Amino acid sequence: DTEVTQTPKHLVMGMTNKKSLKCEQHMGHRAMYWYKQKAKKPPELMFVYSYEKLSINESVPSRFSPECPNSSLLNLHLHALQPEDSALYLCASSRAGGLSTDTQYFGPGTRLTVL
Amino acid sequence: GESVGLHLPTLSVQEGDNSIINCAYSNSASDYFIWYKQESGKGPQFIIDIRSNMDKRQGQRVTVLLNKTVKHLSLQIAATQPGDSAVYFCAEKAGTALIFGKGTTLSVSS
Repeated sequence: DTEVTQTPKHLVMGMTNKKSLKCEQHMGHRAMYWYKQKAKKPPELMFVYSYEKLSINESVPSRFSPECPNSSLLNLHLHALQPEDSALYLCASSRAGGLSTDTQYFGPGTRLTVL
Repeated sequence: GESVGLHLPTLSVQEGDNSIINCAYSNSASDYFIWYKQESGKGPQFIIDIRSNMDKRQGQRVTVLLNKTVKHLSLQIAATQPGDSAVYFCAEKAGTALIFGKGTTLSVSS
């Protein structure tokens, strides 16, 4: 089973709202990732968690706040977003983040629209 | 079959043709490469990978070729089917970060 699940599938929010995106995997993977993908562009890395600790933050604005409550779950808390933050947010997981030959498996994404 | 020598954003083929999608990578230190398929409204789906100590790897109907001398990666799809229509991304890894290429949209007509 190489399934990564994400909820919700779609989210529409105003600029003053607070919302959260959720990601879950039960493959025993110890590395989890958040990516942002704009239309017709490749995914761009936002955050990496390795063994439940934040290991990479790609200079993401503080209105995006990641959280890894345990090895199976990854959240992305959203607050005071801008319309340009509208995108597909992808979660991925891999066995262990430190290995370069570590395949990342992606979830279906959350389509976020900020009004 | 259809092939492209340089990266092109789109590739159109007839059902049954062989497709070749090319990708140039940037980092000489990258030691692991992955091809992903992304259908509309879905996340990237793993297709095939290759390590830098190999130059060819075959899967079911797909083959990946790696030329480290010119930093070039290609994905060959045999007997392309309408269900293969999607955006294909190559990705390179050196350490933790996965860096995606620009993507090629493959359109298969019956």
